Amino acid sequence: DVVMTQSPLSLPVTLGQPASIACSSSQSLVHSDGNTYFNWFLQRPGQPPRRLIYKISNRDSGVPDRFSGSGSGTDFTLKISRVEAEDVGVYYCMQGTHWPYTFGQGTKLEIK
Amino acid sequence: EIQLVESGGGLVQPGGSLRLSCAASGFSFSSYSLGWARQAPGQGLEWVSAIARGGDAYYADSVKGRFTISRDNSRSTLYLQMNSLRAEDTAIYFCAKGGAGGIREADYWGQGTLVTASS
Repeated sequence: DVVMTQSPLSLPVTLGQPASIACSSSQSLVHSDGNTYFNWFLQRPGQPPRRLIYKISNRDSGVPDRFSGSGSGTDFTLKISRVEAEDVGVYYCMQGTHWPYTFGQGTKLEIK
Repeated sequence: EIQLVESGGGLVQPGGSLRLSCAASGFSFSSYSLGWARQAPGQGLEWVSAIARGGDAYYADSVKGRFTISRDNSRSTLYLQMNSLRAEDTAIYFCAKGGAGGIREADYWGQGTLVTASS
């Protein structure tokens, strides 16, 4: 199975400051169709995951533009330009190129 | 509004069976792949099974031969039949809808249903 490794696992951030989460995969996530199926999710306490970003850098409807995704191949990054209180929760990366699709361990973002 | 509502979870003894259901609304059910993912208490997320629009099914090795995914397009309902349950199957089970690229881009998730396998 493809192993997804996130860092850091804990991310204390001051309101209004930027934040960045890295995710690396144990093998390339470029699919034979040319796409890279890489997603970012946010899970707030007691809630299901909510997709924020798909195919590396495409923001979902309703996701603030302070969230951005980048990367290629095996290394990917989620950036929040200015953290707000509603951004608190656990962020997961997920690869959808190789079945079984797999998630990273999660990064817990909290307000300092 | 897209909604996915899971049901069927509960407490079951190891070796027992449960059938989970996921009632969907707000989209053309038959046009999308669907899947089940789970989250053990305090742990991360794991894909369990997926089913394509045409009915092809996929399973994680940990559940292959014990779990069966199915869909009833006439009822807009997804199922997961779980047999020979083990303690390590204890988790919240989420139903998810595939995005434009399939379940590899799961875009909507239900609230989940808790399965506890314990004596």
